[in-house]
Amino acid sequence: GIQVEQSPPDLILQEGANSTLRCNFSDSVNNLQWFHQNPWGQLINLFYIPSGTKQNGRLSATTVATERYSLLYISSSQTTDSGVYFCAPTMDSNYQLIWGAGTKLIIKP
Amino acid sequence: DAGITQSPRHKVTETGTPVTLRCHQTENHRYMYWYRQDPGHGLRLIHYSYGVKDTDKGEVSDGYSVSRSKTEDFLLTLESATSSQTSVYFCAISGLAGGEQFFGPGTRLTVL
Repeated sequence: GIQVEQSPPDLILQEGANSTLRCNFSDSVNNLQWFHQNPWGQLINLFYIPSGTKQNGRLSATTVATERYSLLYISSSQTTDSGVYFCAPTMDSNYQLIWGAGTKLIIKP
Repeated sequence: DAGITQSPRHKVTETGTPVTLRCHQTENHRYMYWYRQDPGHGLRLIHYSYGVKDTDKGEVSDGYSVSRSKTEDFLLTLESATSSQTSVYFCAISGLAGGEQFFGPGTRLTVL
């Protein structure tokens, strides 16, 4: 089946720093979502981005489906950005989300 | 925010007892999903539904059953809970096949 790899697995930054999280996938996908799981366990939708670039405030995401990767950019990090970021593409064949292992982000004040 | 609630939010039970978790949505979305999340495994799909009375298995369906008698409710049942089913369970909804999924707050289940 499709493999999803996220990097880096862990990231520790100071408040105000910028970061780029990467998601590689091994096969063609129908769509892709980025989620943030906050320290209380809540899963929050960030982007639904099959291709192209989207921006929402300090966050933006780019998916290049033909090259099988997606990037999540976080600018001017805040402590509330801490948590785990998941990439989850959807397979063409059955539309189920395939989850990466996540990137754990810690923003220090 | 998508209107998704899960109940109970926390449950402690004993091995061998039946357990039912409920997911309720107010969005009238066709697709509903149950996932479990364990340390080191990310989220794994248990079962999903693509309409009332229409369900299918995910990758970790053994030991679980589901039912959907109404659009808004999706029930997950552990017929005889085991300690390996201790986990956090998330419900999700989607309006389209392969469409954007929205998650409920989760249920933390502990099987002693």
